[in-house]
Amino acid sequence: AQTVTQSQPEMSVQEAETVTLSCTYDTSESDYYLFWYKQPPSRQMILVIRQEAYKQQNATENRFSVNFQKAAKSFSLKISDSQLGDAAMYFCAYRSPSSGSRLTFGEGTQLTVNP
Amino acid sequence: EAQVTQNPRYLITVTGKKLTVTCSQNMNHEYMSWYRQDPGLGLRQIYYSMNVEVTDKGDVPEGYKVSRKEKRNFPLILESPSPNQTSLYFCASSLRGQGEQYFGPGTRLTVT
Repeated sequence: AQTVTQSQPEMSVQEAETVTLSCTYDTSESDYYLFWYKQPPSRQMILVIRQEAYKQQNATENRFSVNFQKAAKSFSLKISDSQLGDAAMYFCAYRSPSSGSRLTFGEGTQLTVNP
Repeated sequence: EAQVTQNPRYLITVTGKKLTVTCSQNMNHEYMSWYRQDPGLGLRQIYYSMNVEVTDKGDVPEGYKVSRKEKRNFPLILESPSPNQTSLYFCASSLRGQGEQYFGPGTRLTVT
């Protein structure tokens, strides 16, 4: 079974600076999908970025980018030019092509942005 | 507006009193899932459905039931709730198994 681990329960960053959230996963599959979700205080789950394992190029969405290291099974999220609205719980998630719609989530990292 | 709705958003109940949390999507999605979120554990899948009348267990199905009689609806049933089912529940849907999942707003359930 796949597992996803986020080893940083809490992180903080100064506004306008850069922060990196860590995620590692364990799988024996070669093809899969990885995601970062943001959960603000409203509790809504918001997709931030996705990465297909067969793509070597790291995904980027505006200020959000990932460092995908397939051999190391690592999938970190970098937030550049942090804004107050980035403060939220961030979840890393894994999906196997064979698991239907099931997402396997990490424990979450609570990000605080200091003004 | 494309969305997943859940009702109720908040519920406080007592042990053993049957309850249903409704989930509805207006995107004609085939796949629907239920997750529960607990501190330090992230979200875990309870049940999922691939289409009408097709459901299967997720990672933590004990104490829950689901049904999928219509494509748009996927209710979660707790026939005899217990305090360990106090949690935040999310419904999600996707067009295909590999499509992007759309999450509902969440239901905060407290069982006393």
